[in-house]
Amino acid sequence: GAGVSQTPSNKVTEKGKYVELRCDPISGHTALYWYRQSLGQGPEFLIYFQGTGAADDSGLPNDRFFAVRPEGSVSTLKIQRTERGDSAVYLCASSLGVNQPQHFGDGTRLSIL
Amino acid sequence: GESVGLHLPTLSVQEGDNSIINCAYSNSASDYFIWYKQESGKGPQFIIDIRSNMDKRQGQRVTVLLNKTVKHLSLQIAATQPGDSAVYFCAENYSGNTPLVFGKGTRLSVIA
Repeated sequence: GAGVSQTPSNKVTEKGKYVELRCDPISGHTALYWYRQSLGQGPEFLIYFQGTGAADDSGLPNDRFFAVRPEGSVSTLKIQRTERGDSAVYLCASSLGVNQPQHFGDGTRLSIL
Repeated sequence: GESVGLHLPTLSVQEGDNSIINCAYSNSASDYFIWYKQESGKGPQFIIDIRSNMDKRQGQRVTVLLNKTVKHLSLQIAATQPGDSAVYFCAENYSGNTPLVFGKGTRLSVIA
C-alpha cells in the first residue's frame, strides 16, 4: 500500500510569491498533520486535521500560512507572501486516529530566494 | 539531498554492537512516545511506540524503555547494522493534544 505522498518534492521560488504544498495521506487515515523541519532540528507542529476540519492550528506561525482539507483526504498547505525564513522542509503525516502512530511523507523542500 | 541534523549529537557504534540512544522528554503529562528514524532526504520513519502504562516494549531488533520517574526514554538497537545509520528522534504527546513534540535528535553512525 502507498504511504504518505507529498508534492512537489522540491520547490524554489522568490520572496513574496505564493506557494501550495500538497499531501496525500494513507488511505483510511482520518487524521492529517503538517510539520515544518529546519536543518538540524526535529519537526515542529503546524496544524492538525481530523476529517475535514482543522482541529488544532496553534502551530501556524502567522496568518500567511493556511491549510485546507476539503474532502477529508488530500490536504494543501498554502503560504502567502513567502519570506526567506519560510525555507524549510514541510512534512505531512497521517494516522488512523488520535494517539496512533503518525506516518510521514518525505516532505517538500521549500527554498525562498 | 539535504542532510538532516548537521550539528546533532553523534553516537558512533561498531557494526554488530548494540546501540543505546537516549532521550529526555519534557512533559510529565505525556502518555504516548514514539521513536523515529530519519535518513537524509527522507521523512521520519516510525520505529516503535510505547504508552505510559508500560515501561518496556520490544520490536524486531529494537527495544524502547520508558522511565517516567525521571522522564527518560531510550531506544536500544541490537546488532547494529550499517543500514541503521540515520538521525533518531524521540517524540511525545498526551491524550487530548495530538501534535507530536520532537526531541533534538541523535545521529547514529555505524562503523563497518
